Amino acid sequence: DGGITQSPKYLFRKEGQNVTLSCEQNLNHDAMYWYRQDPGQGLRLIYYSQIVNDFQKGDIAEGYSVSREKKESFPLTVTSAQKNPTAFYLCASSLSGNWHQPQHFGDGTRLSIL
Amino acid sequence: GQQVMQIPQYQHVQEGEDFTTYCNSSTTLSNIQWYKQRPGGHPVFLIQLVKSGEVKKQKRLTFQFGEAKKNSSLHITATQTTDVGTYFCAGLGKTGKLIFGQGTTLQVKP
Repeated sequence: DGGITQSPKYLFRKEGQNVTLSCEQNLNHDAMYWYRQDPGQGLRLIYYSQIVNDFQKGDIAEGYSVSREKKESFPLTVTSAQKNPTAFYLCASSLSGNWHQPQHFGDGTRLSIL
Repeated sequence: GQQVMQIPQYQHVQEGEDFTTYCNSSTTLSNIQWYKQRPGGHPVFLIQLVKSGEVKKQKRLTFQFGEAKKNSSLHITATQTTDVGTYFCAGLGKTGKLIFGQGTTLQVKP
C-alpha cells in the first residue's frame, strides 16, 4: 500500500534534548510538509520541501530543523531551542510543490515533555 | 498576516440533523480545500474549490465557494454518526501557501 509513515507514534523529550521525528513516503511525491497541531489552533506549517535537496521555512520554523536528502524522506528535528514542543506533529506530501495539489497526511507523532 | 477563520469551533447535533461549518478569509483566495480528521486520526482530503461561486456535492456533503472567493462553507444533510470528526478548511492566498482554519469539531448523538 502506498502511503506516508510517521514514527514513532509517541515520543517523549527531556529538557535540553533534540529529538527527530521520522517521515517516509512511497507515493513518489515531490513535495513534503511538516505541520504542528495544537488544540483549537488547526494546523500550522513548520517547514516544507517542494523538491529533494531543497526546503523552506513555514510560519513557525523557529526551534525546528529539517533535511531532504532523499525524495521519500523528510525528517524533522525538534531542537532544545523549541521551548514549547508538546504537540501533535503531522507530516504530509503532495504530488508536486504546486499548492493546489491535495495533501496526503501520515498518522502523526505525539510529542510530550518529560 | 493572512488568516483563515472557521466557525463554529464545536457543534453537537442529534443524528439526522443538518450541520454547517463556515470558513472566512481576510483576503481573496485562489482556492479552498476541505479536510476531515476523524478522532485519533489524520486529516484526509475531501475536496477542492477553485471557481467563484462554485458548488460541489459529495453524497450528503455540499461545499460552496463564495462569489468574492473569501469564504466557503461545508453543509452536511442528515448527519450520521460516521460524520463525527473535525472538519478543516485550508485556503491558498497571497502568502502562496495553504493556511488552515482552526477546524470545526462535530459530535453526533445517536
